[in-house]
Amino acid sequence: TQLLEQSPQFLSIQEGENLTVYCNSSSVFSSLQWYRQEPGEGPVLLVTVVTGGEVKKLKRLTFQFGDARKDSSLHITAAQPGDTGLYLCEGGSYIPTFGRGTSLIVHP
Amino acid sequence: DAGVTQSPTHLIKTRGQQVTLRCSPKSGHDTVSWYQQALGQGPQFIFQYYEEEERQRGNFPDRFSGHQFPNYSSELNVNALLLGDSALYLCASSLVGTTPYEQYFGPGTRLTVT
Repeated sequence: TQLLEQSPQFLSIQEGENLTVYCNSSSVFSSLQWYRQEPGEGPVLLVTVVTGGEVKKLKRLTFQFGDARKDSSLHITAAQPGDTGLYLCEGGSYIPTFGRGTSLIVHP
Repeated sequence: DAGVTQSPTHLIKTRGQQVTLRCSPKSGHDTVSWYQQALGQGPQFIFQYYEEEERQRGNFPDRFSGHQFPNYSSELNVNALLLGDSALYLCASSLVGTTPYEQYFGPGTRLTVT
């Protein structure tokens, strides 16, 4: 069974701070997706990374796929209260696999 | 462009009862996957339907069954409900053969079993 470990599990920061969350696995994935989920809602796809070492930017969010395609990181610059939510990573595989998520709260 | 829709939004059932949840995929998509998300957890894959057949299945008992209709919409049925079945049930749609594989989620159905 492929497992995705996300860290940290919880993060509470002030507006304007920078943060990085991680998604790690012992397995190689053909692709990896990052989502943000708000309470009571479905996950919203943020980005898909495919190539080892790939870096993608979405405004203040920077996503990186590890060279070996086993891990990924999400860096948020100058976090805002609107960034609050559960950040999930999903490994592209025969059976879709999600991490438990990082719950981020950004205080004004 | 219509996104993924799910109904109902919320549902309360009693142990032992049966429930049916419904999903309409995003316009242009042909594949529907169902997930169970317990509080504080990531989504757990239940199964996926394509061409009206179950293609893949996660580690869920036979009490969980599904169906896909010719218009690509789908139903999730759960029999003999247990308290532990209380969760947010998510439907996601995708288009087979798309590279990279990406799926889009609906807002979910919150099921409470009492």
